[in-house]
Amino acid sequence: NAGVTQTPKFQVLKTGQSMTLQCAQDMNHNSMYWYRQDPGMGLRLIYYSASEGTTDKGEVPNGYNVSRLNKREFSLRLESAAPSQTSVYFCASKQSAKETQYFGPGTRLLVL
Amino acid sequence: TQLLEQSPQFLSIQEGENLTVYCNSSSVFSSLQWYRQEPGEGPVLLVTVVTGGEVKKLKRLTFQFGDARKDSSLHITAAQPGDTGLYLCAGTGNAGGTSYGKLTFGQGTILTVHP
Repeated sequence: NAGVTQTPKFQVLKTGQSMTLQCAQDMNHNSMYWYRQDPGMGLRLIYYSASEGTTDKGEVPNGYNVSRLNKREFSLRLESAAPSQTSVYFCASKQSAKETQYFGPGTRLLVL
Repeated sequence: TQLLEQSPQFLSIQEGENLTVYCNSSSVFSSLQWYRQEPGEGPVLLVTVVTGGEVKKLKRLTFQFGDARKDSSLHITAAQPGDTGLYLCAGTGNAGGTSYGKLTFGQGTILTVHP
């Protein structure tokens, strides 16, 4: 059981470049989430998917898109990266009706 | 928008000391969670409190949920260097609402325990 996996671990982009952050979970969880973590601001929800086939905006969705490819995978796309998107991105998943969210190890993104 | 104010932001103490971290909001939460995060890793859940006034203990850690479900505290007794890390509180939804498990996080407390 790998839990929640994220790729890549690190990425450096130039302003305007695009990229997709990948997330997969092998726990058969229904719900998946994307957060960003910035110093002094805790984690902020970007997008979430309550179940396969549905996605919704979180607190800070601007500049991002998501795809719930199947029950296992939830990807986050930056179409045109900006320096303000420099952050650590975490994916999480949980089973419906349960409280615990399980987090991946994060992707560290630097946009120059 | 629900907000959680966590304090203090930084805490540097000696081994053996006690400490308390606070998490406050003007909003009611249906549940409140505490996470611990190590450098280079994702947060790991320590505890969930759901009932107003609830107290949960995890070895030397004591968690309390306020009676009105707007605030929570984490108390560590006789802190050890292994307790060093980032502690985050996070609230789920509001009473009667459908939250789909969305979490609102506090800013975090960076705890350093010196030997």
